Amino acid sequence: QSALTQPPSASGSPGQSVTISCTGTSSDVGGYNSVSWYQQHPGRVPKLMIYEVSSRPSGVPDRFSGSKSGNTASLTVSGLQAEDEADYYCSSSAGSNVWVFGGGTKLTVL
Amino acid sequence: QLQLQESGPGLVKPSETLSLTCTVSGGSVGSRDYYWAWIRQPPGKGLEWIGSIFYTGTTYYNPSVKTRITLSVDTSRNQFSLRLSSVTAADTALYYCARQRHSGSYHYWGQGALVTVSS
Repeated sequence: QSALTQPPSASGSPGQSVTISCTGTSSDVGGYNSVSWYQQHPGRVPKLMIYEVSSRPSGVPDRFSGSKSGNTASLTVSGLQAEDEADYYCSSSAGSNVWVFGGGTKLTVL
Repeated sequence: QLQLQESGPGLVKPSETLSLTCTVSGGSVGSRDYYWAWIRQPPGKGLEWIGSIFYTGTTYYNPSVKTRITLSVDTSRNQFSLRLSSVTAADTALYYCARQRHSGSYHYWGQGALVTVSS
């Protein structure tokens, strides 16, 4: 299976909204409601931000939201804050108990 | 609070076998509700799922490492382990263990163990 496709970078000013895409195929993103999103600050452990497309773990601000349309999932960060600057990774089931990550997106808060 | 901790050698010679163990506290690897996963991250690069194991010993492997990887679980010690054979420099990475829901998401992660493949 191939890695999911994410834009290498995204940016926005404080207070704005930014959306990061995660594109796969009907064999992964499009075929399962199993997309999850992770935030990773430099030198830190990845942190789960969204699971099962749009669910938020407790403690994750509601500024973070997830959605999916067809073979593309999206993570939207509303009301951007400086601490949102990080790398973001999507993940999805690829069927047959195989899972795949996206290549990652570096989010810059201008 | 669930905690995971990776342990093992930080330096492995090319062609040899990388071995890591993940010790779980605050939860049980014998739970039917989760898989236990290994994820790696080469320096400066992205995340790669390499394999998962269920408490029964059922394993799921990334096809890219399927011929070289062995996962095992020890419920008596509340640990699960990774062995990756015939390593090369391309296997140099930060190796994370994680608890994985059956839907695939990784809710708890270890701190990571850096393994360098070098002679």
